[in-house]
Amino acid sequence: KQEVTQIPAALSVPEGENLVLNCSFTDSAIYNLQWFRQDPGKGLTSLLLIQSSQREQTSGRLNASLDKSSGRSTLYIAASQPGDSATYLCAVRSGGGADGLTFGKGTHLIIQP
Amino acid sequence: GAVVSQHPSRVICKSGTSVKIECRSLDFQATTMFWYRQFPKQSLMLMATSNEGSKATYEQGVEKDKFLINHASLTLSTLTVTSAHPEDSSFYICSARVLLEGYTFGSGTRLTVV
Repeated sequence: KQEVTQIPAALSVPEGENLVLNCSFTDSAIYNLQWFRQDPGKGLTSLLLIQSSQREQTSGRLNASLDKSSGRSTLYIAASQPGDSATYLCAVRSGGGADGLTFGKGTHLIIQP
Repeated sequence: GAVVSQHPSRVICKSGTSVKIECRSLDFQATTMFWYRQFPKQSLMLMATSNEGSKATYEQGVEKDKFLINHASLTLSTLTVTSAHPEDSSFYICSARVLLEGYTFGSGTRLTVV
């Protein structure tokens, strides 16, 4: 059974810092990995989607990497802003025809003005 | 990008009553939709996979008679929580898979059973 772990569980940093959020998964046979942002009481906003054949994806100040063989992904946020404050969720779609996503518990990020 | 609309966003109901949550794909057809539940400070857990025109597939430990799923059209899936109890209070959220975009999610429904 796939398990997804996110470290750290919470992070508070001053505005402007670059930061890295970590995600690990136990079964490397994944189809793809997706990073989401969740604001309090809200739905999920997709940030980046990395297919199993890809090593990284970039969107603006966000960069996500994937090392499938070691079961790891990182989300890099450059020049953090208070508006980046949210919970960041990592989710994997396992291979073998499995549908649906397996989520980590998320990293709760606070960017201090 | 593709949008999934979910209603209601919040609902409070009395114990023993039923609540229906709707999830619509607005600009695309979704033959498959997914229903998740999220308890406070926990990760989202897949409850069931909803298939248009056929029975839903439930994850282990999810009571299919309690959480009724109907996917009668290519743009609408509904989740009905029957005979709701306080322990069913949670955040329910639907999702659809979009070609080349991964999964897109609705805005979620906060259910409180009193």
